[in-house]
Order: sequence, then C-alpha cells, then structure tokens
Amino acid sequence: SQQGEEDPQALSIQEGENATMNCSYKTSINNLQWYRQNSGRGLVHLILIRSNEREKHSGRLRVTLDTSKKSSSLLITASRAADTASYFCAPLMDTGRRALTFGSGTRLQVQP
Amino acid sequence: DAGVIQSPRHEVTEMGQEVTLRCKPISGHNSLFWYRQTMMRGLELLIYFNNNVPIDDSGMPEDRFSAKMPNASFSTLKIQPSEPRDSAVYFCASSLTLGTQYFGPGTRLLVL
Repeated sequence: SQQGEEDPQALSIQEGENATMNCSYKTSINNLQWYRQNSGRGLVHLILIRSNEREKHSGRLRVTLDTSKKSSSLLITASRAADTASYFCAPLMDTGRRALTFGSGTRLQVQP
Repeated sequence: DAGVIQSPRHEVTEMGQEVTLRCKPISGHNSLFWYRQTMMRGLELLIYFNNNVPIDDSGMPEDRFSAKMPNASFSTLKIQPSEPRDSAVYFCASSLTLGTQYFGPGTRLLVL
C-alpha cells in the first residue's frame, strides 16, 4: 500500500505535554506530508518534508524523516487543547501514482 | 485567495436521485483530487486530475460515480443513481504537482 500508517491510533495527553505520532510507509517517496483534521472539517496541511531532508520545524511542530526505515514522526511540543484533532501522514510516491493516500490517522486528545 | 470552494455544503436526497457535487480549485493549481470520508473506510481517494485530465480513477467505487473537469477552475463529481451507502463527506483538494494539497470544507451527503 502506498498510504502511510499512523501510530498510535489514539493518544490522550495533558495540556503542556508533548505529543509524538509516528508514521510508517512502504514505498520510495518524493516527500511526506502531515495534515490535521478537526472534527467535521477538511484537512489542513501542517508540514511537508522532502525525501532528502531529515528534520523540519514549524512553530511547535517538529517532523523527522528516516527513509532507510521508511518512517516519520510528528512532535507537537507544549500541546494545547486546540491541538485536539486527528493527524494524518501522507507519503507522496517517487514514481507512479502522484496522489496522496491517507491512513486512519492518530486521534489526539489534549486535556485542559 | 478564497481557497478551495465546494458546493453544496450539505445535501440530503432520496435513494435513486442524481447528486452533483461541485468544486472550484485554487487558481493556478494544476492538480485536483476528490476524496470520500466515512467512519468505516476513512479517507479514500476517488479520482485525481492533472491539467484537467483524469489520471487515476481506480478509487471510484462503481459506474454510478463519474467526475469531470471541463476547465482548470471547475470540477464535478456526479452520483447517479445515489444509494444510502454513498452517504459520506466528500472532499475536493487542489495542489501544484507534488506539492501541498489544499482541501475544501467538504460536502456532507446523506442519501435516504
């Protein structure tokens, strides 16, 4: 499958704690993207990391990519109640189908 | 920019009726994607276009579904005849090739 698989499926933490979500994939990629979906809303792009990058930061977000292990992680530091959402990773294949496919996501609950 | 625009936002129809969902991508984007999201199946890619040409429609569930992109600023997803199992949230997204996908707010479809 060319979709990413997120782990864990659900995560509950206290406000102020860090949240780490992992993603595994099976194909050679051009880039990998992380998205957030609040309940009842469309997906919002968070960050894109290219296959030749190992780490990327955006505000409180830190994404790592290990192409040798075909895995990525998303770290949200100092979480807030507003971070409560589902998070999806989406690898974009290096060749062939040039469309993102999404796994089941990680449902993050941040308790105030 | 107004972002990806979808209409209608909500649609309630009876089984057997034709349903047409509409999407206006972000100006300048050359790729357009249609997704369907349900609790049971998650977020599924139905079809995507590149430069108005359908590239991969392998996710279209059956012949009752059809999609068109007559020009760079408009796409439709049609279901004829509709069935209760088609009830879902349908998302449209657009991007520049290999880049970030921008999602619309979705159309919530209920087929009675």
